[in-house]
Amino acid sequence: KNEVEQSPQNLTAQEGEFITINCSYSVGISALHWLQQHPGGGIVSLFMLSSGKKKHGRLIATINIQEKHSSLHITASHPRDSAVYICAAGGGADGLTFGKGTHLIIQP
Amino acid sequence: NAGVTQTPKFRVLKTGQSMTLLCAQDMNHEYMYWYRQDPGMGLRLIHYSVGEGTTAKGEVPDGYNVSRLKKQNFLLGLESAAPSQTSVYFCASSPGGETQYFGPGTRLLVL
Repeated sequence: KNEVEQSPQNLTAQEGEFITINCSYSVGISALHWLQQHPGGGIVSLFMLSSGKKKHGRLIATINIQEKHSSLHITASHPRDSAVYICAAGGGADGLTFGKGTHLIIQP
Repeated sequence: NAGVTQTPKFRVLKTGQSMTLLCAQDMNHEYMYWYRQDPGMGLRLIHYSVGEGTTAKGEVPDGYNVSRLKKQNFLLGLESAAPSQTSVYFCASSPGGETQYFGPGTRLLVL
């Protein structure tokens, strides 16, 4: 069973700061997912990556397969980025193994 | 496209009652999943399906049953609800091992 650990659990930052959330997993995987859960509860997939780096707007996700580690970065953070960010490993037929999430608050 | 929808959005049950949660997707996805989310635990997989007529157990299947009689629907049943099943339930679908699309969730309270 894959173990997925995220850090930090909670993060409060000021608007404009560069944010980094880390994720490590214990077993080799085919893909690593980053999800965003809004304060209202909805879950949106941000990235799925198996190697290297992906960028979407102000969000950047990287993965190091050898070290079993991934990071999610937010540049020029904004209060609307406040949410829970969830890392998940695996996928395919047998679903995902999730981290416990990082609660991010961006203060104006 | 409605994407992934879940019915009901909220439900209160008494211990021992039964109910069925419905998940529907209009994206023609093969894979569908049921997860539960509890405080401090993260999301956990209950059951999943890789196609119409097939189901399989996930990490926490006890106390739940599922059926996938039609490709677009995935039903989660609680035969005899227990307070430990108080949770938020999320359904998700995927075209096949790729990005998962989540429903809005069902909040279930078992008294």
